[in-house]
Amino acid sequence: EVQLVESGGGLVQPGGSLRLSCAASGITFSDHYMDWVRQAPGKGLEWVGRSRNKANSYTIEYAASVKGRFIISRDDSKNSVYLQMNSLKTEDTAVYYCGRDFSGQCSGGGCAYMDVWGKGTTVTVSS
Amino acid sequence: DIQLTQSPSFLSASVGDRVTITCRASQGISNYLAWYQQKPGKAPKLLIYAASTLQSGVPSRFSGSGSGTEFTLAINSLQPEDFATYYCHQFGGYPLTFGGGTKVEIK
Repeated sequence: EVQLVESGGGLVQPGGSLRLSCAASGITFSDHYMDWVRQAPGKGLEWVGRSRNKANSYTIEYAASVKGRFIISRDDSKNSVYLQMNSLKTEDTAVYYCGRDFSGQCSGGGCAYMDVWGKGTTVTVSS
Repeated sequence: DIQLTQSPSFLSASVGDRVTITCRASQGISNYLAWYQQKPGKAPKLLIYAASTLQSGVPSRFSGSGSGTEFTLAINSLQPEDFATYYCHQFGGYPLTFGGGTKVEIK
């Protein structure tokens, strides 16, 4: 069974740090891009960032709202992707999801989508 | 940034109705668009990718169409389990973005 499990969420004060983990099972983790997406309470989905695979040099993309504060990394030997969150703000309060990001060729041309999602981990930034 | 504008943001419908949701991109994204369904307290679920390809296991009453800047998600014969919030998601350029969501509620 394909599964992603996030962990590491919790309550942190503004300015603090937190590291989220996402462990994958049932997939060939090293083949895939992995994304982080968050959802603030009562709000919509917000893309946080993407980790490409080894074939694409493990390059990373970030949303402007987190660039310079958050760092995405991965360890293919542990089938895991991480989100290091620094200088946290109250507006970073959200459920954080990791997801498998398929980016490649589909019938008819290139395509991309997130087809496997974890259940999410909650981050609360508050004093 | 590529903005995705979903409409309507709220939709009230009855079981058996056909509903359509529109997603407009601020610039062309070819067919790099996916649709997700999300229920309260749950992770999003992929319905459609590449604008019109049905994800495996998703009922055929769901369909997607469009290319470039205008996309549509249609649900034929709405079922009780379809009442949820729907999001479009573009992969055509960075940063990746989501539409604001469409909440489908029971009339």
